[in-house]
Amino acid sequence: GIQVEQSPPDLILQEGANSTLRCNFSDSVNNLQWFHQNPWGQLINLFYIPSGTKQNGRLSATTVATERYSLLYISSSQTTDSGVYFCASPGGTSYGKLTFGQGTILTVHP
Amino acid sequence: DTAVSQTPKYLVTQMGNDKSIKCEQNLGHDTMYWYKQDSKKFLKIMFSYNNKELIINETVPNRFSPKSPDKAHLNLHINSLELGDSAVYFCASSPWDGANSPLHFGNGTRLTVT
Repeated sequence: GIQVEQSPPDLILQEGANSTLRCNFSDSVNNLQWFHQNPWGQLINLFYIPSGTKQNGRLSATTVATERYSLLYISSSQTTDSGVYFCASPGGTSYGKLTFGQGTILTVHP
Repeated sequence: DTAVSQTPKYLVTQMGNDKSIKCEQNLGHDTMYWYKQDSKKFLKIMFSYNNKELIINETVPNRFSPKSPDKAHLNLHINSLELGDSAVYFCASSPWDGANSPLHFGNGTRLTVT
């Protein structure tokens, strides 16, 4: 099956800083999704991004399927952005069999 | 509120017991799932159902038995609990095939087996 590698594994920021998180895939990328798991454990779907770029407020995501990677940009980070960010892709499978990366732990200090 | 809701939020039990986790979604989605998150935060699919029909059974021990009475509900029953079953179990749903539509998670059930 598809392998998903996220980088960096950990990231510490001061409030207001910008950051870029990356997902690399071993196989073709399609219908990639980004999730945020907050410190209370809730998993929130940030983006469903088959290809191209999407923006939602201070967050944006870009998927370059031909080069098998996706990037999540966080601008003007806030303490509420802290948590774990996951990317996931079905990699050619169906019915929700998403393969998740190991996550990037983001800590934003005030 | 429209959401994926699962109960209970916490479940502490002893080895050998049988327990159930319930999940309901009022988003009108066709597909529901169970995912397991281990202590290292790794997320892995266990089961998926599409309109009450089992689609994915991902090499899960047969002590785990999902049941979907209708497309809005997906419950998980676990027999003879073992220490290694301790994890956070997430229910999720998607409008159709979750590989081609956004996945929405419930808030998780933290299972602790002692």
